[in-house]
Amino acid sequence: DAGVTQSPTHLIKTRGQQVTLRCSPKSGHDTVSWYQQALGQGPQFIFQYYEEEERQRGNFPDRFSGHQFPNYSSELNVNALLLGDSALYLCASSLEDRTGTQYFGPGTRLLVL
Amino acid sequence: AQTVTQSQPEMSVQEAETVTLSCTYDTSESNYYLFWYKQPPSRQMILVIRQEAYKQQNATENRFSVNFQKAAKSFSLKISDSQLGDTAMYFCAFKQGGSEKLVFGKGTKLTVNP
Repeated sequence: DAGVTQSPTHLIKTRGQQVTLRCSPKSGHDTVSWYQQALGQGPQFIFQYYEEEERQRGNFPDRFSGHQFPNYSSELNVNALLLGDSALYLCASSLEDRTGTQYFGPGTRLLVL
Repeated sequence: AQTVTQSQPEMSVQEAETVTLSCTYDTSESNYYLFWYKQPPSRQMILVIRQEAYKQQNATENRFSVNFQKAAKSFSLKISDSQLGDTAMYFCAFKQGGSEKLVFGKGTKLTVNP
């Protein structure tokens, strides 16, 4: 049973560039959430996708956008990168059920120079 | 807005002993879920245990158990027979019923010493 996978594992970009991170949910899951985890902090919710639509969004600017594909995989796009976007980006998948328990992938470490 | 507070930035315990990590939360809702996640140095966030607010019984998963005090809005994690592999950051998280986002605390760094 495949768990949540993310690619790439590490990424280095420069300010102003754009980046795309990818996530494949756990087998059988249909919902994908994205979180940003700064060093030494707990994860912060960016948004969640279900049925190819953004269902809920956290307090992140429009530079952060996403997409969900028919096979439930998802992408996180960040435009006009800032130094402060350097963080671990975590993807979590869940079932559309009562608890919505989320299971996390290994994350993508993004460094913006 | 819901908040989650973990008041112990760091803790240590000897192998085979028991340790309790604290978590408090703030909400005016009655329907919610609480979670403990473990994040080892490898960084993958792993679900440890889940508690549904409407359930009176405290959740247990093998060596891991919680003390859920709904009136006090407290949700502590007890790890029995600590093992070296338990060394990790532990995050307490809150999810309101009907909402999709997890709200995390700042974490407690647990070190298990041989």
